[in-house]
Amino acid sequence: DAGITQSPRHKVTETGTPVTLRCHQTENHRYMYWYRQDPGHGLRLIHYSYGVKDTDKGEVSDGYSVSRSKTEDFLLTLESATSSQTSVYFCAISPAFDRSGANVLTFGAGSRLTVL
Amino acid sequence: SQQGEEDPQALSIQEGENATMNCSYKTSINNLQWYRQNSGRGLVHLILIRSNEREKHSGRLRVTLDTSKKSSSLLITASRAADTASYFCATDVNNDMRFGAGTRLTVKP
Repeated sequence: DAGITQSPRHKVTETGTPVTLRCHQTENHRYMYWYRQDPGHGLRLIHYSYGVKDTDKGEVSDGYSVSRSKTEDFLLTLESATSSQTSVYFCAISPAFDRSGANVLTFGAGSRLTVL
Repeated sequence: SQQGEEDPQALSIQEGENATMNCSYKTSINNLQWYRQNSGRGLVHLILIRSNEREKHSGRLRVTLDTSKKSSSLLITASRAADTASYFCATDVNNDMRFGAGTRLTVKP
């Protein structure tokens, strides 16, 4: 997925350990998002950022924190991983609103996290 | 809670047939988008329809939007085996993008 990379792509960890997922973009887009994807639930928004140091919560933000110190990087941290956070995590980016107000997302390839 | 709900959850058709997927949502929107996801990959944007539009075409894709019913449909005409994927609708409410659970489309050759 050109312009957006996620790392690590796969991670297995144990309950109670901290985990950080990284999203890196080279598109200089203003908006960045973290979603999780689980069977039967589709994609659910965790947090998003609308600029450096500007973030907001999504619908499933409990247990997650984010940081954006640079335009190109958006970090998702699980302070103390639980088995319910086993999921595939997707980062997405989008430019600021154009004149028509459209907001189209470009997704990364995903990070598969397993919490044992 | 999810904003969009796709229907059906799964759809299996023969190559050459048309595939129709539906999406219902709950609140007023700025626009509605459809995305596609191949197995093990990220989502890819297909088409966007604004709240003041009723129908839009892009190649073999046709999207309709009925804001009074809070629903949208995606039609893929003359389907191909390569169209096999999951399809998601996404609603944009003031930059808060919410996705449904998706429709899994299988196109048999």
